Amino acid sequence: DAKTTQPTSMDCAEGRAANLPCNHSTISGNEYVYWYRQIHSQGPQYIIHGLKNNETNEMASLIITEDRKSSTLILPHATLRDTAVYYCIVLQYGNKLVFGAGTILRVKS
Amino acid sequence: DSGVTQTPKHLITATGQRVTLRCSPRSGDLSVYWYQQSLDQGLQFLIQYYNGEERAKGNILERFSAQQFPDLHSELNLSSLELGDSALYFCASSAIHREITEAFFGQGTRLTVV
Repeated sequence: DAKTTQPTSMDCAEGRAANLPCNHSTISGNEYVYWYRQIHSQGPQYIIHGLKNNETNEMASLIITEDRKSSTLILPHATLRDTAVYYCIVLQYGNKLVFGAGTILRVKS
Repeated sequence: DSGVTQTPKHLITATGQRVTLRCSPRSGDLSVYWYQQSLDQGLQFLIQYYNGEERAKGNILERFSAQQFPDLHSELNLSSLELGDSALYFCASSAIHREITEAFFGQGTRLTVV
């Protein structure tokens, strides 16, 4: 599975959009981009995933560049409860999830 | 609530002892994963089972073993425990019977070895 690069940490003001970038320049055509988050000491939580097209669900939007070498997770209106570690993971269908260091997102009032 | 149940939530035991952690996956999920997260460490993949068979192995110590039973619940056995085994242990499950799937994590078992 392709490796990903994420910023170590980011801050976001409450109520504003949080845009979390992820670089996956070695992604192959059959690999998906997944996003998970982990709120302090809780089990990781699935957020969203995509292959080529942009995706949106009730939690977030995922924007994947046309060349698929990078993506952005967007939390449209961040709240204090969105403070967590966010993981961008690239993997083939059915493979195990391998978590990197992720991005620590701090939402501030 | 993810639908994945882990028991016990907390466990305190002495060095050298053996413990068993239990995981009940979401109804219908065939795949179970185990992860270890030590204090201030990332999530380390240990092992994956799919419909009773071992499918993938990560950085799992020889002192650790796991299995998945016919009813799809899974157990992680940790033996000859050391202080360094103190960690959060997470179980996750996923369907993998449809083309696109995601994993759902339990709330973890916090193991403290004293």
